[in-house]
Amino acid sequence: KQEVTQIPAALSVPEGENLVLNCSFTDSAIYNLQWFRQDPGKGLTSLLLIQSSQREQTSGRLNASLDKSSGRSTLYIAASQPGDSATYLCAALDSNYQLIWGAGTKLIIKP
Amino acid sequence: DTEVTQTPKHLVMGMTNKKSLKCEQHMGHRAMYWYKQKAKKPPELMFVYSYEKLSINESVPSRFSPECPNSSLLNLHLHALQPEDSALYLCASSQRVSYNEQFFGPGTRLTVL
Repeated sequence: KQEVTQIPAALSVPEGENLVLNCSFTDSAIYNLQWFRQDPGKGLTSLLLIQSSQREQTSGRLNASLDKSSGRSTLYIAASQPGDSATYLCAALDSNYQLIWGAGTKLIIKP
Repeated sequence: DTEVTQTPKHLVMGMTNKKSLKCEQHMGHRAMYWYKQKAKKPPELMFVYSYEKLSINESVPSRFSPECPNSSLLNLHLHALQPEDSALYLCASSQRVSYNEQFFGPGTRLTVL
């Protein structure tokens, strides 16, 4: 059974720092891995999708990588801003075409 | 346009009420999803529609009844809910069930009294 883990559960960093959020999964048989952002009480915003055949995807200050062999994905945020404060969730699309979710990392960027 | 819309934004209902949640997308997606999310938890999948047919029902109680009238609309009919059903209900869509990116709506915050 696929399990997705996100560490740390919470992270607080000063504005301007580069940071990395981690996501690990137990079964390498995934179709893709998606990173989302969620602001309190709001819906989810898709940030990046990495297909299983890809190694990374970039969008602006965000870069996501995927290493299926090690069961890991990372989300790199460059030059963090207070507006980046949110909960970040990763989800792996498993062999049943269902998203298996991590518990999320709550990110706080201090001005 | 990568927007999924949901109405209403907030809903308060008693345990004997009947209400419906609505979801709409105009991206030509043929897969649509209902998720339930409790505070500080990730979303839980409830239902999946593929080409307007129910393809996955994650053992959801019958007091939740989904409906997909056409390829752009998804409803969730609610009846005789319990206070523990209070949560954020999220709708999502993707081009198809397999492989593709899921886009989420803003959710409906449901409170059952």
